[in-house]
Amino acid sequence: DGGITQSPKYLFRKEGQNVTLSCEQNLNHDAMYWYRQDPGQGLRLIYYSQIVNDFQKGDIAEGYSVSREKKESFPLTVTSAQKNPTAFYLCASSEQGRAGELFFGEGSRLTVL
Amino acid sequence: DQQVKQNSPSLSVQEGRISILNCDYTNSMFDYFLWYKKYPAEGPTFLISISSIKDKNEDGRFTVFLNKSAKHLSLHIVPSQPGDSAVYFCAASVAYSGAGSYQLTFGKGTKLSVIP
Repeated sequence: DGGITQSPKYLFRKEGQNVTLSCEQNLNHDAMYWYRQDPGQGLRLIYYSQIVNDFQKGDIAEGYSVSREKKESFPLTVTSAQKNPTAFYLCASSEQGRAGELFFGEGSRLTVL
Repeated sequence: DQQVKQNSPSLSVQEGRISILNCDYTNSMFDYFLWYKKYPAEGPTFLISISSIKDKNEDGRFTVFLNKSAKHLSLHIVPSQPGDSAVYFCAASVAYSGAGSYQLTFGKGTKLSVIP
């Protein structure tokens, strides 16, 4: 059963703590992405990676970090530098040559108290 | 500056009737457009797409129309069903923005409610 798994689904953290969200895919996709969704907003791109050991900043990368050590995994760290981290985070992947047809995980809701 | 705009935050339609969701874009470099459907607390799922070389694409009950001169696209759902109730996101990309990856720009979404 191929797909994208994000964990945890819900996460609560105190202000000032770093948090890492997990994203794993078994679709054999080269490209992976992290998006953020806020209420009443579209999805905004945080980081993306086209290939292992390479990643690029998206539109709102400040306060976030990523790594891509394995093709299957693209974890996102929300650092204490992110001013407004409470949001719904979505990980996605895509196949080369399939323009824009991203496959999304079920999302992780982060609440900073 | 919002490059992809969905000006209607919500839409209510009777079951069996047509639902029309609209989307406007400003970036003339966009050449590939997609619609995603999203249920609460879930990730979006790809619904239908259209390349800028076409003006219409159909998939079952879903049809997307593209008017490049007006920089406008619309999603038609006929007939609408209660299970279609969800948030619909319009997205656009430049198809060859980078090898193997496609940066999508999303609209804010339109919440469709199909009333039985």
